[in-house]
Amino acid sequence: NAGVTQTPKFRILKIGQSMTLQCTQDMNHNYMYWYRQDPGMGLKLIYYSVGAGITDKGEVPNGYNVSRSTTEDFPLRLELAAPSQTSVYFCASNKDRGTQYFGPGTRLLVL
Amino acid sequence: ILNVEQSPQSLHVQEGDSTNFTCSFPSSNFYALHWYRWETAKSPEALFVMTLNGDEKKKGRISATLNTKEGYSYLYIKGSQPEDSATYLCAFHSGSARQLTFGSGTQLTVLP
Repeated sequence: NAGVTQTPKFRILKIGQSMTLQCTQDMNHNYMYWYRQDPGMGLKLIYYSVGAGITDKGEVPNGYNVSRSTTEDFPLRLELAAPSQTSVYFCASNKDRGTQYFGPGTRLLVL
Repeated sequence: ILNVEQSPQSLHVQEGDSTNFTCSFPSSNFYALHWYRWETAKSPEALFVMTLNGDEKKKGRISATLNTKEGYSYLYIKGSQPEDSATYLCAFHSGSARQLTFGSGTQLTVLP
């Protein structure tokens, strides 16, 4: 039981490049989330999903897209990366609004 | 956007001291209050989920109380140890929301 896994762990992007951050959970959780953590700040919700085929915007969705084609996977897509997207990205999941379980994070640097 | 505030923002204590910090959240439409412990370079780990007014939870030397009527929760650490050094996050779950709203955290440093 791996819990929530994220890849890659670290990535450097040039301005304007695109990439997908992968998130997978093996706990059969229906809810999944993407957060970003900026220095000195807490967690800001980017997007979330309450089940396969359903996604909703969080607090800071601009510049990102998500999809949820399966229960297990919730990839986050960055189109046209900008320096403001330099951050640490955390994926999380839970069952029916219970305790959230977090992945190890992806550190992204946009230069 | 819901307002969840934590104080203090950071705290330094000596090993063996007891300490506490506060999470303030909206007092209406309450569903649950979560506490997480977040060590540097790791991911947040759940400490408590609290749902009832007057709830008290305990895990080793860490405990938490909840007052939903006035909209606050306290986290207590008894006899702090250097390994308690971390950021402690609270997160509010309103009855109508599918997601948590996190506070900015209290960064605790326990000096040996």
